[in-house]
Amino acid sequence: QKEVEQNSGPLSVPEGAIASLNCTYSDRVSQSFFWYRQYSGKSPELIMSIYSNGDKEDGRFTAQLNKASQYVSLLIRDSQPSDSATYLCAVKTREIGNQFYFGTGTSLTVIP
Amino acid sequence: ETGVTQSPTHLIKTRGQQVTLRCSSQSGHNTVSWYQQALGQGPQFIFQYYREEENGRGNFPPRFSGLQFPNYSSELNVNALELDDSALYLCASRPAARTDTQYFGPGTRLTVL
Repeated sequence: QKEVEQNSGPLSVPEGAIASLNCTYSDRVSQSFFWYRQYSGKSPELIMSIYSNGDKEDGRFTAQLNKASQYVSLLIRDSQPSDSATYLCAVKTREIGNQFYFGTGTSLTVIP
Repeated sequence: ETGVTQSPTHLIKTRGQQVTLRCSSQSGHNTVSWYQQALGQGPQFIFQYYREEENGRGNFPPRFSGLQFPNYSSELNVNALELDDSALYLCASRPAARTDTQYFGPGTRLTVL
């Protein structure tokens, strides 16, 4: 089983602050990287994907990937109470079937 | 809504019983993955089906089995239920195995007593 690890939570930030979520993965042949958001009692929803080293920005979200360090992060700028959720890091492998492996998630609470 | 449906929504079983969970994929999606998500954990990959064939499996025992039908709907079967099988079971479909965007169903909450 591929290992995907996320920084331990829970994480609390005040409204308007930057939330930083981190993830490391063990499989050097992982090819694609994803951040999902999961609200309590709901299923995961994709918020960001990243494939190349560097930064990728989408609105208030920025994903950062460093394949040499096997590290991917998500920054949420101007955090809002509606961002309060569990954030899941996922990697997709090059194996036959291209399966996804998820981390344990980091719970984020944005305090108004 | 993602267009992926699962049934039932909730289920209570006792140890040793068998259970079948169902997933209806988005139209045209030939790849479906099943995940187990225990409370406070991330989804754990169980297995994946592509065009009715299993083409990937995570670290789950053989008592977890599945099927995918010609219309690409699928089933997850679990035999000899154990207490640790209590979890949210999620299915996710995508148009092809090589695509990156998978669409999750709402999940089935299984409780084993």
